[in-house]
Formats: sequence, C-alpha cells, structure tokens
Amino acid sequence: GESVGLHLPTLSVQEGDNSIINCAYSNSASDYFIWYKQESGKGPQFIIDIRSNMDKRQGQRVTVLLNKTVKHLSLQIAATQPGDSAVYFCAGPEDSNYQLIWGAGTKLIIKP
Amino acid sequence: EAGVAQSPRYKIIEKRQSVAFWCNPISGHATLYWYQQILGQGPKLLIQFQNNGVVDDSQLPKDRFSAERLKGVDSTLKIQPAKLEDSAVYLCASSNRDSHEQYFGPGTRLTVT
Repeated sequence: GESVGLHLPTLSVQEGDNSIINCAYSNSASDYFIWYKQESGKGPQFIIDIRSNMDKRQGQRVTVLLNKTVKHLSLQIAATQPGDSAVYFCAGPEDSNYQLIWGAGTKLIIKP
Repeated sequence: EAGVAQSPRYKIIEKRQSVAFWCNPISGHATLYWYQQILGQGPKLLIQFQNNGVVDDSQLPKDRFSAERLKGVDSTLKIQPAKLEDSAVYLCASSNRDSHEQYFGPGTRLTVT
C-alpha cells in the first residue's frame, strides 16, 4: 500500500534557529499533503497544506517545500520557539474520500 | 467556533471489559472520523462517516469494535471486549464535506490492564 514517512523520529534544535522536518511519500498521485502539529495531551492541529501543483507554500513562520521528482516534502519553521515543541506529522490522501495516510511523526525538541 | 469535543478524556479498564467513547464534531461538519493512535505512531483511521452513513470501516476490528452516528451529528465508538493491545489514544476528527482539513478533538486515552 501507499506510505508516508518522516526521516527522523527526533529533532533537537536551538531556540531561535530554523527547524527542517523531512517527509517522504510513495503515492505520486496524491493531490495534496498536510502537516499537522501534535502537542502533548492534545489532538493533531492543522499547520499548513500544499497542493501537488505547487513547489512551495508559506505560512506564518512556516514554509513547506514539495519535490515531486524525489517524492519528498519538508516543513521549515523559522526562528524556532519553545511553543513549537511538539510531534510533527506529514499526511497525504489515500483516496478521494479524504482519508489520510500518516507518517510516524518527528518529535521537535527545543534547546534553550 | 467550538472545537471537536470528546469524552471521557481518560479511561482505565480491565481486559475483557467494555468501554464507549463519545464525540461531538464541529457544528455543520458532515464528515466524522475515528482514529486510533498508539504511543509513538501516527493516527490510524478506524472509521469514516459522511452524515450518518459509513464511508469506510475497512480497518475497524469489527469483532470487537463498533461505531455509530445515528443522527449524523454525535458519534460513539465502543470496544467489547477490550484487549491489552487496545491501549491507545482514540481521536475523533471532523471536516466539512469536500474539504481535506480535519479538526481533531483532544482524544480519549484508554489503558487496558
């Protein structure tokens, strides 16, 4: 079946530095991808999405890059803050019913 | 707008007992999802509803899990009987029809002993 997966289970970043979280996918027919943030004890929260016809999308302090050639996407967080500590998931659609395949998540740890 | 509500937040039961979880989606959201999230993993879809109809329940262990959304609003997920491997967080999410953005509730953490 199709898969979506993150490269690193844990990422430690100095406060104020930029963070880059990577994700690989297998379904080249996916129309979009989504990044979710999950803080401890909470449900996942939508951060940003990107359509497959785009290479880059920017939000507030976040940028997602999509490389369809190598089936890779990344989430960049600028000037990482303590509130960014969470597990980050990339997810892509399995089919037209908006069902998502989720990666295992990358835990972002902010060092003071 | 109010978010997705779930209850209870925590539940501890012994194996072979029964348990039920409740979800109230965001008002007007036609699509409702139940996920199982085992510690250290991403959410796994159990069942998807569109209004009160089931869109997909292919990953729901139907010998012990059941879910319903009788009036197309609230939903309940039941496990009977529970096994040790059912220990997980059960997440409910909802979305507008034809939207891929899912809004999640806080989840119910189930511990089966």
